[in-house]
Amino acid sequence: ETGVTQTPRHLVMGMTNKKSLKCEQHLGHNAMYWYKQSAKKPLELMFVYSLEERVENNSVPSRFSPECPNSSHLFLHLHTLQPEDSALYLCASSQETSGSWADTQYFGPGTRLTVL
Amino acid sequence: AQKITQTQPGMFVQEKEAVTLDCTYDTSDQSYGLFWYKQPSSGEMIFLIYQGSYDEQNATEGRYSLNFQKARKSANLVISASQLGDSAMYFCAMRNGGGGSNYKLTFGKGTLLTVNP
Repeated sequence: ETGVTQTPRHLVMGMTNKKSLKCEQHLGHNAMYWYKQSAKKPLELMFVYSLEERVENNSVPSRFSPECPNSSHLFLHLHTLQPEDSALYLCASSQETSGSWADTQYFGPGTRLTVL
Repeated sequence: AQKITQTQPGMFVQEKEAVTLDCTYDTSDQSYGLFWYKQPSSGEMIFLIYQGSYDEQNATEGRYSLNFQKARKSANLVISASQLGDSAMYFCAMRNGGGGSNYKLTFGKGTLLTVNP
C-alpha cells in the first residue's frame, strides 16, 4: 500500500448505528486530519492530530469521535448520526515542520457516508 | 479571516488546449502557502502544485503552472495541453503560517473542468 488509504470506501448506516472509519498513511508523516466534504460546501476541517495528540477540534458534534492510536492510523467513530451528516469524509496526512505553511497535506480516497 | 474565491463554477476546454482556472485569496498574513488539488469523480483529493508567498518564481509541475500575482492576491492554475483525464474538480487552498490555526487548509468551492475531445 502507498500513500493514504481509507476504509470502507462506501458506508450506509442508520441513525442508531455505530460505525468507524479507518485511515492509514504509509508516508511516515507525523500529522493526520479528518475533513468533511458536503455537497456544494467547501471542505471543512474536523480534527487534527499531531504526534498522536489532538491539536484541533473545529466545533464538531460529539457524535463524531476521533482516535489516533499511533502516527500511521486514524479512526473516526460514528454514533447516532443525522441524515445531514451524509458526506464524503476525507483523511489526510502531512509531515509537519513547526506548522510551516509549506507542509503539504496528502489525502486519501475518502469514505462516502450515507445516513438513512 | 482567510478566504479563497474561485469564481468559475465550471469550465470547458478542448483537448490539447491550455486552460486557466482562477483563484483569489484574502489574508492579512505575510507568510502563507497556496495549493491546488484535483478531485476526480472517484473522490480522492490529489495534490498538484504549491506556491509559497515568498517564492519569486511561479511554480511549475509538468503541465501545471501557477500564475502567482501577489499584489493582486491571485494564484491561477494553468494547465497546458489538456487531456481527457484532466476532467475533474479543481480546488485552490491556502495555508497560513501566522497566528491561529497553522494546520488548517482553507479551500475554495472549486471549479469543475470538463475537457472535450
